[in-house]
Amino acid sequence: EVQLLESGGGLIQPGGSLRLSCAASGFTFSNEAMSWVRQAPGKGLEWVSYITGSGGTTHYADSVKDRFAISRDNSKNTLYLQMNSLSAEDTAVYYCVKDTTIFGVVITGRWFDAWGQGTLVTVSS
Amino acid sequence: DIQMTQSPSSLSASVGDRVTITCRASQSLNTFLNWYQQKPGRAPKLLVYGASALQSGVPSRFSGSGSGTDFTLTISSLQPDDFATYYCQQTYTTPLTFGGGTKVEIK
Repeated sequence: EVQLLESGGGLIQPGGSLRLSCAASGFTFSNEAMSWVRQAPGKGLEWVSYITGSGGTTHYADSVKDRFAISRDNSKNTLYLQMNSLSAEDTAVYYCVKDTTIFGVVITGRWFDAWGQGTLVTVSS
Repeated sequence: DIQMTQSPSSLSASVGDRVTITCRASQSLNTFLNWYQQKPGRAPKLLVYGASALQSGVPSRFSGSGSGTDFTLTISSLQPDDFATYYCQQTYTTPLTFGGGTKVEIK
């Protein structure tokens, strides 16, 4: 069974930094791309960042580019999100997701087929 | 960025009703369109991927259709467990974007 367990959230002052972790199990972590998705209180879903299985390619939403950094340690089956220069607009539940892409005869597509339970980041003074 | 417009933003329905949620993209997605269900306090759950493929374990009363810019999620006979918020998502290009959500409430 695929399991994703986020940690590292909490209350942080504006301008501060925080690192989220996501421990993965139940699949071959190094073979799978991963993403972070966030959800502000009472709001919809926002994709934040993506990393390939090898860690060689990353993508970011414009709202976090140059402030957040995604990384992974495949020897520890762990995904990270380093968040710097935090502001109130970053307050959200952050989800770690398994980001699957298939190019096949029957189906071609990309989807998030496993989600962690989320970790809450609150940016406030 | 590709904009995803879901409608309606909320609806009230009764158990047994047929429910249809639509999602329109600002440009063609081919079939790079997914649907998720989210219940309060819980993480989203994948329902439909590739516009019409049902994720393993999802009841057959859920179905997805469409291609290009217009997509539909249908619940053929609404059950008590289906009251939730539903999101569409495009994965055709980065940044990946979600629709604003459709909250399905009990009438």
